[in-house]
Amino acid sequence: NAGVTQTPKFQVLKTGQSMTLQCAQDMNHNSMYWYRQDPGMGLRLIYYSASEGTTDKGEVPNGYNVSRLNKREFSLRLESAAPSQTSVYFCASSAQGTGGSYEQYFGPGTRLTVT
Amino acid sequence: SQKIEQNSEALNIQEGKTATLTCNYTNYSPAYLQWYRQDPGRGPVFLLLIRENEKEKRKERLKVTFDTTLKQSLFHITASQPADSATYLCALGPGGYNKLIFGAGTRLAVHP
Repeated sequence: NAGVTQTPKFQVLKTGQSMTLQCAQDMNHNSMYWYRQDPGMGLRLIYYSASEGTTDKGEVPNGYNVSRLNKREFSLRLESAAPSQTSVYFCASSAQGTGGSYEQYFGPGTRLTVT
Repeated sequence: SQKIEQNSEALNIQEGKTATLTCNYTNYSPAYLQWYRQDPGRGPVFLLLIRENEKEKRKERLKVTFDTTLKQSLFHITASQPADSATYLCALGPGGYNKLIFGAGTRLAVHP
């Protein structure tokens, strides 16, 4: 049981390049999330998917797109990377319950640098 | 706008003492609050959840209180150990699809 896995662990991009961050979970969770974490700031929600086939914007969606490929996988794409997107990206998943109070399980993160 | 405040300065304590971390919030009425632990270079790990109608929750050496009047949660680690050294994040939930709002976290350092 691997939990939440993310690839790659590290990535360096030049401004304007594109890339996709991959995330997969093996806990049969309905909900999945993408966050970014910057020094001195809390985790900020980029996009989330409440269930397979649905995605919604979070607090900071500009410059990103997502795909919920199936129940297990949720990818995050940067179409044209900018230095402001230098950050650590975390994927998370949770069971979906009424009232939505289930804990989130996080992946190990992807450290992205845009030069 | 909604705001969550955690002490940005590191908390340094001696081994065996009780560590108390604070989470304050404004412009918000959360249905529940969660605490997570984050070690350097790793993702957060869930520790405890407390709902708005609960005053206190315990798990082993951990205790969380939730005062909706003061808009504050306190997170206590009793008999602290160097292995408890980490950053602790609080997160508030609005209900629904488990969207959480995270604080920036407080770093705890427990010294032998």
